[in-house]
Amino acid sequence: AQSVAQPEDQVNVAEGNPLTVKCTYSVSGNPYLFWYVQYPNRGLQFLLKYITGDNLVKGSYGFEAEFNKSQTSFHLKKPSALVSDSALYFCAVRDGGSQGNLIFGKGTKLSVKP
Amino acid sequence: DAGVIQSPRHEVTEMGQEVTLRCKPISGHNSLFWYRQTMMRGLELLIYFNNNVPIDDSGMPEDRFSAKMPNASFSTLKIQPSEPRDSAVYFCASSSLRATGGYTFGSGTRLTVV
Repeated sequence: AQSVAQPEDQVNVAEGNPLTVKCTYSVSGNPYLFWYVQYPNRGLQFLLKYITGDNLVKGSYGFEAEFNKSQTSFHLKKPSALVSDSALYFCAVRDGGSQGNLIFGKGTKLSVKP
Repeated sequence: DAGVIQSPRHEVTEMGQEVTLRCKPISGHNSLFWYRQTMMRGLELLIYFNNNVPIDDSGMPEDRFSAKMPNASFSTLKIQPSEPRDSAVYFCASSSLRATGGYTFGSGTRLTVV
């Protein structure tokens, strides 16, 4: 069975500092991994995805994520956080060998303070 | 492309009334998903369709909830009768059937049942 875990309910970062939002996953086949962001009163927006290839994936708004197969992780990172990055972040996984649905994590609230 | 379009954006109704939420997916997308988001439970998948056919409705909380997709460009989620505990933000998302594709979410309908 597929599953995804976001171990932190909330991450607090000072503006200008690097940020990391953690995600670990479990699938039986090759993982297809996604990050979404949700700003207040908005729907989820696609940030980036890993399907195959380079383990470091770059996405929108300066975010990037690193696929680590041995640790079954796909942490979201940004070198320098902005106050406007404050939002809810969701990690999602799909087994690449199936037509199954995306499985979403419970979300991590990122708070960036000036 | 206008994206996934949901209506209404906000709905306030009295307990016992029927509520109908509407969704227009992205043209060409074969899959459609209905989610509910609350503070307590996070993001929950209610039901999804592939090629207009309901595939899995195990997330529908009760018989009061029903969903239809009469054609590829329209879906409804109906609650009859509505209860205060149904108050939530309801999201529609669409996707192609390709495993590498992510989901595109609508802006959601905020439902308040008083």
